[in-house]
Amino acid sequence: KQEVTQIPAALSVPEGENLVLNCSFTDSAIYNLQWFRQDPGKGLTSLLLIQSSQREQTSGRLNASLDKSSGRSTLYIAASQPGDSATYLCAVRPNAGNNRKLIWGLGTSLAVNP
Amino acid sequence: GAGVSQSPSNKVTEKGKDVELRCDPISGHTALYWYRQSLGQGLEFLIYFQGNSAPDKSGLPSDRFSAERTGGSVSTLTIQRTQQEDSAVYLCASSSDTSSYNEQFFGPGTRLTVL
Repeated sequence: KQEVTQIPAALSVPEGENLVLNCSFTDSAIYNLQWFRQDPGKGLTSLLLIQSSQREQTSGRLNASLDKSSGRSTLYIAASQPGDSATYLCAVRPNAGNNRKLIWGLGTSLAVNP
Repeated sequence: GAGVSQSPSNKVTEKGKDVELRCDPISGHTALYWYRQSLGQGLEFLIYFQGNSAPDKSGLPSDRFSAERTGGSVSTLTIQRTQQEDSAVYLCASSSDTSSYNEQFFGPGTRLTVL
């Protein structure tokens, strides 16, 4: 059974720091992995999606890497800003078939202090 | 529309009542998903639609939960005889089959409180 774990559960940093959020999964046979941001009352925003054949994806100050064989992904946030404060969720899609459900971690709650 | 929309945004109901939650996916998206996020827990998959059919209903927690989708667009999640443990945020997502990535885009959710 696929399980997704995110560490740390919470993180508080001063503005400007570079930081890394971690996601691990127990079954390396995944189709893709997505990182989301969740703001209170605003649902989920997709940040980056990495296919199983890819090693990393970049968008602006965000970089997500994937090491499928070791069951790990990291989300790197450069030069953090107070507006980055949110909960960051990692989710894996287990396979390429008709089963498209995502398996989720519990998230990392990030606070970036001015 | 520009994004996935859900209604109502908040719903407070009494135990034992039935509720209906609505999801409008992104126009043209053929796949639609319902998830539930309970306090202190991760997101939990409920059901997935491809067009109007549901290939995967494995996440529905009990027979009090049902969902339908009509016209390949709007979906309704119905909870009958609500219980306090049904209190959660119910999230809807949609994705396009034209992209091999099938990236899921989420609505703002409906916060359900059962008193």
